[in-house]
Amino acid sequence: DGGITQSPKYLFRKEGQNVTLSCEQNLNHDAMYWYRQDPGQGLRLIYYSQIVNDFQKGDIAEGYSVSREKKESFPLTVTSAQKNPTAFYLCASSDYTDTQYFGPGTRLTVL
Amino acid sequence: GESVGLHLPTLSVQEGDNSIINCAYSNSASDYFIWYKQESGKGPQFIIDIRSNMDKRQGQRVTVLLNKTVKHLSLQIAATQPGDSAVYFCAENMAGGTSYGKLTFGQGTILTVHP
Repeated sequence: DGGITQSPKYLFRKEGQNVTLSCEQNLNHDAMYWYRQDPGQGLRLIYYSQIVNDFQKGDIAEGYSVSREKKESFPLTVTSAQKNPTAFYLCASSDYTDTQYFGPGTRLTVL
Repeated sequence: GESVGLHLPTLSVQEGDNSIINCAYSNSASDYFIWYKQESGKGPQFIIDIRSNMDKRQGQRVTVLLNKTVKHLSLQIAATQPGDSAVYFCAENMAGGTSYGKLTFGQGTILTVHP
């Protein structure tokens, strides 16, 4: 099956811990994105990458880091510097048409 | 900054009725618009898109209308079904023709379909 996968579906973090969220796509898309969604709100862009080994900050990048070593993978690390990390995290990818397709999401909760 | 917004946060309809979800945008340079459907606990699902050189596009049971004069976008769902109940987001691309443009999302409209 072609698509975008995210893991884990649920993630729990203790205070002061770094955690990494996985995002993989087999759509051969060049661009990948990470969004954060809070309850009852729209999506806010954290980071995006248009090509391997390159990425740019989105609107709310503080406290997050990413890497893009492979075209298929765009992991997001939520660091201890992110003061309010509890949210629903969504990964997306797109080709030259700009249409973004989303994964199923990871729900992160800070204990 | 400029943003995409929605007129109505909630919409309740009866099964079989037609639904219309509205969206206002403020950036006249936006050239690509997308509607997504998001069910509870899931990622947004692409419904339909439209580029600024068009004013109407139809899909299966859905139609998107774009009025550039008043910067308004709407999603029409025909013969709404209970499975259409979800949050609907509009998004705009302000890349101005460059590849992999960033999308700006509206807050969403909750559509509830009653049997």
